[in-house]
Amino acid sequence: GENVEQHPSTLSVQEGDSAVIKCTYSDSASNYFPWYKQELGKGPQLIIDIRSNVGEKKDQRIAVTLNKTAKHFSLHITETQPEDSAVYFCAASGAQKLVFGQGTRLTINP
Amino acid sequence: KAGVTQTPRYLIKTRGQQVTLSCSPISGHRSVSWYQQTPGQGLQFLFEYFSETQRNKGNFPGRFSGRQFSNSRSEMNVSTLELGDSALYLCASSFIRGGSSGANVLTFGAGSRLTVL
Repeated sequence: GENVEQHPSTLSVQEGDSAVIKCTYSDSASNYFPWYKQELGKGPQLIIDIRSNVGEKKDQRIAVTLNKTAKHFSLHITETQPEDSAVYFCAASGAQKLVFGQGTRLTINP
Repeated sequence: KAGVTQTPRYLIKTRGQQVTLSCSPISGHRSVSWYQQTPGQGLQFLFEYFSETQRNKGNFPGRFSGRQFSNSRSEMNVSTLELGDSALYLCASSFIRGGSSGANVLTFGAGSRLTVL
């Protein structure tokens, strides 16, 4: 089945700098790749997603890139702000279910 | 519109007991998926229900079960609780089959935090 690896597990950046989180997946048949943000005491919330027929997608300060050949995708957050501090999960579709990475705890330092 | 509602939010049980968790999906959503979240294992897929039928199941023992009602509300049950069942149980709904290609966004609830003593 699908397996998703996510790195790094923790990331600390200065406010205003960029943050990059990377994921790899194993199932070449996967074609839907969402990213979720989870704040303390809340469930994961979708922040951006990408489908396999697209190589990059942007939404304001957030962008996701997908390399299907290498089977990896990345989340880029620019001009980070304190409210970006949270745990971020990548996921890949596989066999009619989403398989999640282990999560990255992002801390934005003022 | 109202989001995904999970009850109870917090509960404490002892080993050997059983527990039932409830999930009310977004109105109009017919698919409900359940995930277990633990610090060590991340988000692990439990099962998915669509139109009252279990459509997919993760690698969990038979002590974990669920069902879906005609109004799309779902419950999951864990019998003979073990210490390792302590986790945040998340429910997510989607309009059609959740998480698959070309499919809909999974919208998560806030979760039910289960502590087993």
